[in-house]
Amino acid sequence: AQTVTQSQPEMSVQEAETVTLSCTYDTSESDYYLFWYKQPPSRQMILVIRQEAYKQQNATENRFSVNFQKAAKSFSLKISDSQLGDAAMYFCAYRTRNTGNQFYFGTGTSLTVIP
Amino acid sequence: DVKVTQSSRYLVKRTGEKVFLECVQDMDHENMFWYRQDPGLGLRLIYFSYDVKMKEKGDIPEGYSVSREKKERFSLILESASTNQTSMYLCASSPLVTGGKNIQYFGAGTRLSVL
Repeated sequence: AQTVTQSQPEMSVQEAETVTLSCTYDTSESDYYLFWYKQPPSRQMILVIRQEAYKQQNATENRFSVNFQKAAKSFSLKISDSQLGDAAMYFCAYRTRNTGNQFYFGTGTSLTVIP
Repeated sequence: DVKVTQSSRYLVKRTGEKVFLECVQDMDHENMFWYRQDPGLGLRLIYFSYDVKMKEKGDIPEGYSVSREKKERFSLILESASTNQTSMYLCASSPLVTGGKNIQYFGAGTRLSVL
């Protein structure tokens, strides 16, 4: 079964601080892609960052970076210099070559940013 | 920018009613998806379509059907709405490409309440 686990239903961070959201996944495939999506309150879900499993280098997008540990099947998201606009629900997801277009999502982590 | 538009943000229906949720995308994407989002359960795939008139069941298709008569439009149908179908429904689309560019773009969601 394809599963994605986000063990932190809720997290909070002080503005300007750094926070890490955890994600683990389970797949027997070797070729897959990992994603973090952000869903702000009452707004649509947008892609934050993505990682190809064959790439060893961790992806970075401005203040967002990932820690991809392939052997451990772990894909955490680090948000540096947190801003009020980072407050949202964050979903980890993956897609394998064999599942084609189907994505598998975790249950989400609700991030609160404290001013 | 990719735009995925869901026809209603909020919808209130009565038990037993036939309900149509409409989704339109403007980027000529081949793939379209319907998810259901519930607290603590994340996103669960109801149905997806990879071409006009084609559809595939997702993880929770029971009680739902879909229609894709045109490439840009994907409709979710609740034949006889029940209270346990009260939820947030998300539509997404993605291009028919392989690799990391195959990402999903989401609509703003329809919050359906069945009374």
